[in-house]
Amino acid sequence: GDSVTQMEGPVTLSEEACLTINCTYTATGYPSLFWYVQYPGEGLQLLLKATKADDKGSNKGFEATYRKETTSFHLEKGSVQVSDSAVYFCALEAGTALIFGKGTTLSVSS
Amino acid sequence: DGGITQSPKYLFRKEGQNVTLSCEQNLNHDAMYWYRQDPGQGLRLIYYSQIVNDFQKGDIAEGYSVSREKKESFPLTVTSAQKNPTAFYLCASSIKPGTERYSNQPQHFGDGTRLSIL
Repeated sequence: GDSVTQMEGPVTLSEEACLTINCTYTATGYPSLFWYVQYPGEGLQLLLKATKADDKGSNKGFEATYRKETTSFHLEKGSVQVSDSAVYFCALEAGTALIFGKGTTLSVSS
Repeated sequence: DGGITQSPKYLFRKEGQNVTLSCEQNLNHDAMYWYRQDPGQGLRLIYYSQIVNDFQKGDIAEGYSVSREKKESFPLTVTSAQKNPTAFYLCASSIKPGTERYSNQPQHFGDGTRLSIL
């Protein structure tokens, strides 16, 4: 069945460092792909999305490109801030629901 | 502003007790979902509903029950049969899945309810 695999965390970075969180997927066809972010004690918020191959989603300085050939959707940011500390979930659209990865915790220190 | 409201934020259950988590949305969404979140486990789907008076089991429905009597509401009952209920529960809603609009506007989430055992 469809699945999402994310790199395990936690990821600990200093402010202004570069971030990459890897995400690969297994799916039938070409599902839409998403990154959600969860700040402490809150629900999930949609961060960015890509609906077809080679699409690049971007928001708040984060980017991810839908790579069909490598079945990947890695999240990147050139310069992280303390306020980016959160849990990040990669997800794919699978019919009636979303399938989520296990989440990657990012901690950014000043 | 439209959104999803989950209540209470924190809930405690005694042994043998059923508890009900509330989820209300004013986004006029057809579909609603319940997820369970455990540390290191990501989100796992408990139940979902695409239309009033209809719902389907997700991956971990055992020990849980739901109802969908109104479009706006999708309460989740954690029954005494759920032996390990301590978790963070998230409710979500969306327009009809499987459409192009859904891909552009996927699920919206509430702020969650944290359930603990006394």
